Amino acid sequence: DTEVTQTPKHLVMGMTNKKSLKCEQHMGHRAMYWYKQKAKKPPELMFVYSYEKLSINESVPSRFSPECPNSSLLNLHLHALQPEDSALYLCASSQESVQGYSGELFFGEGSRLTVL
Amino acid sequence: QKEVEQNSGPLSVPEGAIASLNCTYSDRGSQSFFWYRQYSGKSPELIMSIYSNGDKEDGRFTAQLNKASQYVSLLIRDSQPSDSATYLCAVNNYGQNFVFGPGTRLSVLP
Repeated sequence: DTEVTQTPKHLVMGMTNKKSLKCEQHMGHRAMYWYKQKAKKPPELMFVYSYEKLSINESVPSRFSPECPNSSLLNLHLHALQPEDSALYLCASSQESVQGYSGELFFGEGSRLTVL
Repeated sequence: QKEVEQNSGPLSVPEGAIASLNCTYSDRGSQSFFWYRQYSGKSPELIMSIYSNGDKEDGRFTAQLNKASQYVSLLIRDSQPSDSATYLCAVNNYGQNFVFGPGTRLSVLP
């Protein structure tokens, strides 16, 4: 069983809808991530939160808005999306780096988003 | 541009054989290396992490790291049809910056 849980598992939305993806981890990790993955491509980093502060934003369009309410929760708010935003959205978490070595990255099961 | 490269495959091996998956990376400062398995339609699952030069074994899996050659590999012994998946190599040089390779699709034939 994954210790990173994501809801919903599937989401269909229109281009004018507002929806949110949710992620929760119970591993005590202080870094949480959003990745986007298209078919037959590797995960593509969108955002990283470290100690509840946004540390990396990979020039993601403003129609994606991340939020980290506390160290265990991560949300991704979606508004005015385009059909090309349809993808698998993956949440992940990791431990802090120690002496230059990064912690392992653990993924949730993902939320499959379809934009009509 | 930091890059991680893998052969896209498909790599086909017969059941019971050794599957060898390779990964090269461009950032010489990279310190942490990971292999993930991803079944079609599912999320990536961590198989192994490796931080030091040499071999690291876990069950049927062996990761090999050679920092001088900037090369990481994953060997799967006694391959099973259930090992058929895409294998992603990921590299990290510090902090939260994980760079993923394009993945190698492995097919284990019964």
